[in-house]
Amino acid sequence: DAKTTQPPSMDCAEGRAANLPCNHSTISGNEYVYWYRQIHSQGPQYIIHGLKNNETNEMASLIITEDRKSSTLILPHATLRDTAVYYCIVRVAYNQGGKLIFGQGTELSVKP
Amino acid sequence: GAGVSQSPSNKVTEKGKDVELRCDPISGHTALYWYRQSLGQGLEFLIYFQGNSAPDKSGLPSDRFSAERTGGSVSTLTIQRTQQEDSAVYLCASSSAYGQAEAFFGQGTRLTVV
Repeated sequence: DAKTTQPPSMDCAEGRAANLPCNHSTISGNEYVYWYRQIHSQGPQYIIHGLKNNETNEMASLIITEDRKSSTLILPHATLRDTAVYYCIVRVAYNQGGKLIFGQGTELSVKP
Repeated sequence: GAGVSQSPSNKVTEKGKDVELRCDPISGHTALYWYRQSLGQGLEFLIYFQGNSAPDKSGLPSDRFSAERTGGSVSTLTIQRTQQEDSAVYLCASSSAYGQAEAFFGQGTRLTVV
């Protein structure tokens, strides 16, 4: 699976949008971009995923560049409960043998 | 239950003893993962079961580690002759068979080797 590069840490003010970048310059055409987060002392939680189109759900938006070499996860109105480590992962579909390999992630601190 | 269940939630064992950690995935989920997370570190992939295919064991750190999945459901991770460096939280996740299915994680088993 392709590797991803994320900044180790970021700060965001409560109520502001948090924009978390991820580089995946070696991504293959059949690999999806996934985002998970891990709140302290809990198991990771799925946030969103996409292939090449931008995606939005109740938690976040995912913006993928046209060349698919990078993406940004957007939390539109960050709250203190969004403080967590955010992981960007690329993988092929399950039915192609894809597995989830976590990198070091970005530690997001939302401050009042 | 509705989610992935792991047991025990905490385990303290003496160095050199064997331990078994259990994972009950979400009913119907055919993919199952084991990860290890040492204090302050990221998730380290251990093993991946995908339906009836041979498991991907590429992340197992040594031959003291093994895992099996019986009947395509419950999985057991076994660590033989435990060492202090095995102390970590062991996390299990499962996902359904569909192409881009999300993985659901359990709360983990905290293993302490003394």
